[in-house]
Amino acid sequence: RKEVEQDPGPFNVPEGATVAFNCTYSNSASQSFFWYRQDCRKEPKLLMSVYSSGNEDGRFTAQLNRASQYISLLIRDSKLSDSATYLCVAPVMDTGRRALTFGSGTRLQVQP
Amino acid sequence: GAVVSQHPSRVICKSGTSVKIECRSLDFQATTMFWYRQFPKQSLMLMATSNEGSKATYEQGVEKDKFLINHASLTLSTLTVTSAHPEDSSFYICSASEASDTQYFGPGTRLTVL
Repeated sequence: RKEVEQDPGPFNVPEGATVAFNCTYSNSASQSFFWYRQDCRKEPKLLMSVYSSGNEDGRFTAQLNRASQYISLLIRDSKLSDSATYLCVAPVMDTGRRALTFGSGTRLQVQP
Repeated sequence: GAVVSQHPSRVICKSGTSVKIECRSLDFQATTMFWYRQFPKQSLMLMATSNEGSKATYEQGVEKDKFLINHASLTLSTLTVTSAHPEDSSFYICSASEASDTQYFGPGTRLTVL
């Protein structure tokens, strides 16, 4: 089983819609997670961190469900500029290492 | 915010040549730098973790003699792809970290081996 799994999509939604992505993780010891956004042929950019209490930043809300081992990202009032691939990221759980494990990404296409 | 640069942004080379990619943290000291590779329509895959002044830790399946990593200072790490072949064509991205888990990514280097 992959450490981090995501639905690849694509999710095609109209402007103004609310869309949610889920991501499951395999290591129950993971404490923190991240959502990154990656535009085509660009580097990933940190969107938000996700801790046990969840996180909200404007139209974006991330939540962590430890019992079911998944994290979610909710985008409200979608904009055309939200079109991108959203990467679910967990830290590598090796002692002394602070690398990241990336999910394969969920592609979002917001349409006018 | 923290800025990480990579050079070159794009390189095309002939099979058998070596290519060096530089990763620099511009406004902070990076105790750890990471090198990732991304093939088309796939996610980033960690290649190696590099700590300043010590040998890099390579992920399983990544040949350390082929992908040479040097992290000689707190602001510079280099990745050298030796004897590159077409299958090494990929998007190589570095990231840098201070003390926290937050990683700042460079803009990536697109390598094409003919």
